[in-house]
Amino acid sequence: NAGVTQTPKFQVLKTGQSMTLQCAQDMNHEYMSWYRQDPGMGLRLIHYSVGAGITDQGEVPNGYNVSRSTTEDFPLRLLSAAPSQTSVYFCASSTGTPNTGELFFGEGSRLTVL
Amino acid sequence: AQTVTQSQPEMSVQEAETVTLSCTYDTSENNYYLFWYKQPPSRQMILVIRQEAYKQQNATENRFSVNFQKAAKSFSLKISDSQLGDTAMYFCAFYNTNAGKSTFGDGTTLTVKP
Repeated sequence: NAGVTQTPKFQVLKTGQSMTLQCAQDMNHEYMSWYRQDPGMGLRLIHYSVGAGITDQGEVPNGYNVSRSTTEDFPLRLLSAAPSQTSVYFCASSTGTPNTGELFFGEGSRLTVL
Repeated sequence: AQTVTQSQPEMSVQEAETVTLSCTYDTSENNYYLFWYKQPPSRQMILVIRQEAYKQQNATENRFSVNFQKAAKSFSLKISDSQLGDTAMYFCAFYNTNAGKSTFGDGTTLTVKP
């Protein structure tokens, strides 16, 4: 059972570089979301999607883009990396039927921006 | 917007004893779910327990139970017969059914001592 797969698990970038964090789920979940986790803080919502072709901003969307062209994939793009984006990123999915909000998480991606 | 507050950044408990983690939330919604997730040192996020807001009965899962006080907007987690494997960070989360997104508290780091 693959569940939610995130790649890469670790990445080091230089300020100004761009990259994409990949997220794929094989559970046919309608809802997908991206969170960042900083030391001493909980998970903060970056962007989320309630279905293919639909995305919306969360609490901390600045500096990130997303798209949802298929049900399975929800990539997160950093357009011009900044040191403030050093964090651990989690992708999660949940089913809309029933709409309980139980999240299934990927293993996380640790990003360091120098 | 919803807020979730976990007022205990760190807690410790002796093996086999009982510990209670606190969580309060603020919302004007009537239709929502509440969760406790566990994050061990492996970083993987794991669902511990779920509570439907429309249910008065407190949820239980083996050694884990909640005290859900809807009027007080309180949702505490009780861990009975604590085990060394319970050492982890615990996050309280609120799911807004209408919006399709979750809000997390800042977490409580629990250490179970032998």
